[in-house]
Amino acid sequence: GQQVMQIPQYQHVQEGEDFTTYCNSSTTLSNIQWYKQRPGGHPVFLIQLVKSGEVKKQKRLTFQFGEAKKNSSLHITATQTTDVGTYFCANLYGNKLVFGAGTILRVKS
Amino acid sequence: DAMVIQNPRYQVTQFGKPVTLSCSQTLNHNVMYWYQQKSSQAPKLLFHYYDKDFNNEADTPDNFQSRRPNTSFCFLDIRSPGLGDAAMYLCATSRGSNQPQHFGDGTRLSIL
Repeated sequence: GQQVMQIPQYQHVQEGEDFTTYCNSSTTLSNIQWYKQRPGGHPVFLIQLVKSGEVKKQKRLTFQFGEAKKNSSLHITATQTTDVGTYFCANLYGNKLVFGAGTILRVKS
Repeated sequence: DAMVIQNPRYQVTQFGKPVTLSCSQTLNHNVMYWYQQKSSQAPKLLFHYYDKDFNNEADTPDNFQSRRPNTSFCFLDIRSPGLGDAAMYLCATSRGSNQPQHFGDGTRLSIL
């Protein structure tokens, strides 16, 4: 399937600091979905991006899809302890999702 | 009001003893998926059903099979579990193949 590379693998931030995770592909992506998985939980859908250059916001979360549709990012402003978990990007390839490796976010209070 | 329900939450089986995991949904979604997720890894798709059409991933071991007797239920059968099959098994559904997926809480499988 179409591989998506996700960085960083792990990030530990102080509460109130910002956080960003990046998803990159060598080929053009049809779309990107983002999921959050809390420790011990299951993936929960956050957003889907389809259009080139698209930017969507959900409260403190900002999602971007690159102009070339080869990269995407998720930015969290002023992290809170409730933001902890693993954030996955996923590419819809054909009729299935191919997940990135995920970025584990830990927040120190 | 859980919409994708997996039973049991925890399953322990013996090496080589067949085990079945179940998933049900109240969303009336067309597509149901089974994923395997090992510790600190991303979910890995095993197979999915679009309605009754079964789609197996090329690298899914033959040891893993699935059944979808109706829209609401889907089962994962592991014929002869090995130690390497210990993992979290996640069921998910979506309205269509390009729609967001809704995951169940998963079944954590342990092999003795």
